[in-house]
Formats: sequence, structure tokens, C-alpha cells
Amino acid sequence: AQRVTQPEKLLSVFKGAPVELKCNYSYSGSPELFWYVQYSRQRLQLLLRHISRESIKGFTADLNKGETSFHLKKPFAQEEDSAMYYCALFGSGGSNYKLTFGKGTLLTVNP
Amino acid sequence: KAGVTQTPRYLIKTRGQQVTLSCSPISGHRSVSWYQQTPGQGLQFLFEYFSETQRNKGNFPGRFSGRQFSNSRSEMNVSTLELGDSALYLCASSLAGFQGAGDTQYFGPGTRLTVL
Repeated sequence: AQRVTQPEKLLSVFKGAPVELKCNYSYSGSPELFWYVQYSRQRLQLLLRHISRESIKGFTADLNKGETSFHLKKPFAQEEDSAMYYCALFGSGGSNYKLTFGKGTLLTVNP
Repeated sequence: KAGVTQTPRYLIKTRGQQVTLSCSPISGHRSVSWYQQTPGQGLQFLFEYFSETQRNKGNFPGRFSGRQFSNSRSEMNVSTLELGDSALYLCASSLAGFQGAGDTQYFGPGTRLTVL
């Protein structure tokens, strides 16, 4: 079974401070991991994915297979980063593929 | 390109009824996947359709079913509605869908279903 855990439901930081949103996963194979974001009154959208190793809007995420984590980081938070963030794992159980989401972390960046 | 559209946006039904939700993918996308979002369980994958065939499915009872048409539009049906089916139902489309390394999902705005 595959599982994604985001231990923090809420995270509040001040503008300019570093931010780290935690994501831990459980999966027996080699995972493909994503971060999706939902800004207020907008649709859920992809922020970044492990396989592309890009930095989007200043965010980065490193896959740590030893700790089974895929934490999202940004060195200097901006007010426009306030949103709901979901970590997701794409994997298979036999021939059936699934996209499993964590329950999300609501990030608030205070001025 | 127009984004993913879902109709209707809001729906109220009573227990025991059935409901059909519709999703139109981004032009050229052949994969449509469906998700249920509730405060308690979060976002849960229901199933994925690709080229009119259900290719992958999550852990939902058979009351939840779907289909996809030749133009890639998809419908999801829930029969014998229960109070616990009240949720936001999201669909997403992608080019290749659930294969390989997994394709980026483009989400619709969702349909809010309330079961009374």
C-alpha cells in the first residue's frame, strides 16, 4: 500500500523567513513524487515534481529515499505563497496505478 | 487552451438517488481521472480513464462508476447515494495519464455534491 503523510495541517511563517513543508511517504517501489498547490479561489495545480528536478517559484524539493521524505522548501517566503499544499505519490500496486495525496498543509505567510 | 471544465458545479441530492457528473478535458488530453475530496479523508483517487477504457482504479465501492467517450469527455456516476458521499468531486486530465512516471494532472474546478 502507498501512503503519504503531511504531519502539519497548518504552518504559519513571516514574510522573508524560510519555510519547509514536510512530506513523508510509504511505498515499496521507486516513487514518483509531486507537490500540488491550491491558491485561494483557484484550482489545484502542479507546483513541482521530483523527476524534473526544477525549482518553481523559488521552491525546491529533494527526495530522500533513506528517510522516505520529499519536503518542500523555500529560503524566503512571500505573502503570495500562502496556499494549500499537497504532496502526492504516483505508484503502482501490481498493474494498477494510483495517485495518492497527503491531507495537505495550509501555509500562511504573514506580512 | 481552455482548461478542464466540470458540470454541474453544485448539486443537491437525497439519499438513495443517483447522480452523474461530467468532465471535459483539455483538448488533446486522452486521460481523465476522478477524485473525491472530503474534510476527513482528503483527496482520494477514484479511477482513471484512457481512450474510453478504465485503466486504473482506487478503493471505492462499485456504486462509483464512470465512463469515457470517444471525444475524451468523461462522466462519473454514483448510485444509491449515501450521506457520506457528500464531497467535492474533482476531475483531472493529462496527455498520457497513469503510466510510466505519471503525467502532470490538470484539475477542474470540481463539482460540490451535497447528499441530504
